Amino acid sequence: DIVMTQGALPNPVPSGESVSITCRSSKSLLYSDGKTYLNWYLQRPGQSPQLLIYWMSTRASGVSDRFSGSGSGTDFTLKISGVEAEDVGVYYCQQGLEFPLTFGSGTKLEIK
Amino acid sequence: QVTLKESGPGILQPSQTLSLTCSFSGFSLSTSGICVSWIRQPSGKGLEWLATICWEDSKGYNPSLKNRLTISKDTSNNQAFLKITSVDTADTAIYYCARNLPGMDAWGQGASVTVSS
Repeated sequence: DIVMTQGALPNPVPSGESVSITCRSSKSLLYSDGKTYLNWYLQRPGQSPQLLIYWMSTRASGVSDRFSGSGSGTDFTLKISGVEAEDVGVYYCQQGLEFPLTFGSGTKLEIK
Repeated sequence: QVTLKESGPGILQPSQTLSLTCSFSGFSLSTSGICVSWIRQPSGKGLEWLATICWEDSKGYNPSLKNRLTISKDTSNNQAFLKITSVDTADTAIYYCARNLPGMDAWGQGASVTVSS
């Protein structure tokens, strides 16, 4: 199974500051079609997860351009430019390359 | 507008079979490239993928649940199903279904399932 490992944030983060959440996979997520099968989700308190980024760097429909994804085949970063109160929650990375699909353990964002 | 809604028994006893239904609208599971996944989340914990079924009826299962899972679909009625046999207290969680296209771009509100004697 592909193991997804996420980093922590130095919570609480001051409002307006930019933060980067890291994720590492135990296997390259770059497929032969040229796409990297890494997704990012945000789960706000009491809500279902929502897709933020797919194919490592493509924003999902309706997602603020304050969110951006980048990385290589195994090391990934979700950047939030200027955190706002609505960004509070737990961020998950997930690999979509192969079964079993696997999620990272989550990174919690709190705002000061 | 894409919507999904999970339904299940709420409470069941250890050793019983859990049957979950995902009713969706705004897309068809007969459309090329579309899949539906089941994911669960115990209270206060992270997300665990369980199973996926795709438009051409291919399926994937989480091997950690061994042979306890069965996923199926009813394309005509826009539903997907998940059965988990021999449940125990460790299966207590919120169960979500999601459209997988790529990335899980639409999720249901979740169905709470409690396993208790």
